Amino acid sequence: KQEVTQIPAALSVPEGENLVLNCSFTDSAIYNLQWFRQDPGKGLTSLLLIQSSQREQTSGRLNASLDKSSGRSTLYIAASQPGDSATYLCAVDDYKLSFGAGTTVTVRA
Amino acid sequence: DAEITQSPRHKITETGRQVTLACHQTWNHNNMFWYRQDLGHGLRLIHYSYGVQDTNKGEVSDGYSVSRSNTEDLPLTLESAASSQTSVYFCASSGDKETQYFGPGTRLLVL
Repeated sequence: KQEVTQIPAALSVPEGENLVLNCSFTDSAIYNLQWFRQDPGKGLTSLLLIQSSQREQTSGRLNASLDKSSGRSTLYIAASQPGDSATYLCAVDDYKLSFGAGTTVTVRA
Repeated sequence: DAEITQSPRHKITETGRQVTLACHQTWNHNNMFWYRQDLGHGLRLIHYSYGVQDTNKGEVSDGYSVSRSNTEDLPLTLESAASSQTSVYFCASSGDKETQYFGPGTRLLVL
């Protein structure tokens, strides 16, 4: 059974600082890995999808890397803003999605 | 614009009652999924479908059922609601090996 772990569980940073969120998974036989954002009381919004053949994916201030062999992915958010405050979820697709518990980010103005 | 909707958004029911949560998508996606989200457990897969007439059990399927009679809808039924099924339920859809699009969620309280 795929196990997905996200560290840290919570993170608080001052505005402007870069964010580094970590995700690890136990089975490297995956189709892709996805990062989602969830605001309180809301559904999930897809941020980035990295195919298993890719090493990284970028969208604006967001960059996600994937190292399948070591079972790790990292989400970088550059120059954080208060609007980045949310819970970030990592999900591994190995025929169906398995989610980590998430990292709750607070960006202080 | 294509979207995925869930109804109702909030539901209070009593133990033992049958409850059906609706999910409707206009993406024309083959794949549809139901998850529940609970503190301390994250998102867990209940049931999923890869096309009309196809349904599969997920990680936490006991006490739940789904049916897929068309592409757009995947209703989730709680056969006899239990307090342990109090949760937030999310429906999602996707194309093959593509990102999943999530609905806004249904908050269910079983008293």
